[in-house]
Amino acid sequence: QKEVEQNSGPLSVPEGAIASLNCTYSDRGSQSFFWYRQYSGKSPELIMFIYSNGDKEDGRFTAQLNKASQYVSLLIRDSQPSDSATYLCATPKRDDKIIFGKGTRLHILP
Amino acid sequence: ETGVTQTPRHLVMGMTNKKSLKCEQHLGHNAMYWYKQSAKKPLELMFVYNFKEQTENNSVPSRFSPECPNSSHLFLHLHTLQPEDSALYLCASSQDIQGYSPLHFGNGTRLTVT
Repeated sequence: QKEVEQNSGPLSVPEGAIASLNCTYSDRGSQSFFWYRQYSGKSPELIMFIYSNGDKEDGRFTAQLNKASQYVSLLIRDSQPSDSATYLCATPKRDDKIIFGKGTRLHILP
Repeated sequence: ETGVTQTPRHLVMGMTNKKSLKCEQHLGHNAMYWYKQSAKKPLELMFVYNFKEQTENNSVPSRFSPECPNSSHLFLHLHTLQPEDSALYLCASSQDIQGYSPLHFGNGTRLTVT
């Protein structure tokens, strides 16, 4: 089993709808989770992090963490064309090395 | 300048060349990293430096040689690379190497080995 798994997509979502991005992880000991957004040809930029079970909201973004089921998700409300990018899920391993998933390509349809 | 800056942005080199990638962070962070990003593969951690001491070498071939003269600067020296080494090389920094510190990335160097 891969350490961090994401569906590579592309995930197509109509403008104004909610985009839901999912990530599963294998290490039950993982404590913190990061979502990065990467536009084509650019470097990843941090958009959300979550440490506790439940939801964390920041503007149009909501991160959801369920440690019992070992998944973390990112919801983007009122999706905009500018949200079209690859979204990377990441978590540190027990030795603190941050491991990334392959990323999910999100395409917002105007 | 702010953030993490990398130079050059693009690099084309032959297999017999020697070149270096440079990274500088202006965030006051203690840890710096080199990552490799290839198409359709996850970001691969290459090297980690904490307070300019190397703490991680993720089984990287010796044709990649890192150097960290201080907590703000990081280099990646390249020598006799292979075409499969063509990728986006990303430098990142974080406050420390503990897992709660998010990474801040530079814009990357797009490397092509011919």
